[in-house]
Amino acid sequence: NAGVTQTPKFQVLKTGQSMTLQCAQDMNHEYMSWYRQDPGMGLRLIHYSVGAGITDQGEVPNGYNVSRSTTEDFPLRLLSAAPSQTSVYFCASTPYGESYEQYFGPGTRLTVT
Amino acid sequence: GEDVEQSLFLSVREGDSSVINCTYTDSSSTYLYWYKQEPGAGLQLLTYIFSNMDMKQDQRLTVLLNKKDKHLSLRIADTQTGDSAIYFCAETLNYGGSQGNLIFGKGTKLSVKP
Repeated sequence: NAGVTQTPKFQVLKTGQSMTLQCAQDMNHEYMSWYRQDPGMGLRLIHYSVGAGITDQGEVPNGYNVSRSTTEDFPLRLLSAAPSQTSVYFCASTPYGESYEQYFGPGTRLTVT
Repeated sequence: GEDVEQSLFLSVREGDSSVINCTYTDSSSTYLYWYKQEPGAGLQLLTYIFSNMDMKQDQRLTVLLNKKDKHLSLRIADTQTGDSAIYFCAETLNYGGSQGNLIFGKGTKLSVKP
């Protein structure tokens, strides 16, 4: 199993540009989520999905869209990038079960100038 | 609202024990977790404890949970330089009714001096 994969690893955008951060998992996990990590802020939940076709907002959803057409993929879209979205983005997946352990991808480091 | 608090830094000498502390607010959390993040990497689950337990031991790691005080600690015995990392405490968050969401502390940076 590859686990949770994220692409790209690094990205630089200009203000106003759009892009999609990719996330895929091959563990057949129902639950997937996106977090952003900022210095001194820990991780904050952006959006999550409890299964294909179902998404919902987390703590900091503004400026981001998600969709979940398959169990494997959970892309995060920035429609009009802003400098405040400069961050490291982590995707995670979780099998529903006893411990709700989250498996994290390696992260995408995004800079918006 | 829910919040998880941790001290930001801890420095220990190699071979000593490290104790990282965390306080949380949501008494309905089912599980509490400790994650480790090495530089430039994602988060890796170290251990977790179910809310009806007081203690869990896993090799060099000991987790203590005081539900009354909403206090969680992680003790690393015989700390090694390879343990240098950021350690995150997290609790399950009933966001939108989903137990799969987590709320994280800001992380404790552990520095191990040789």
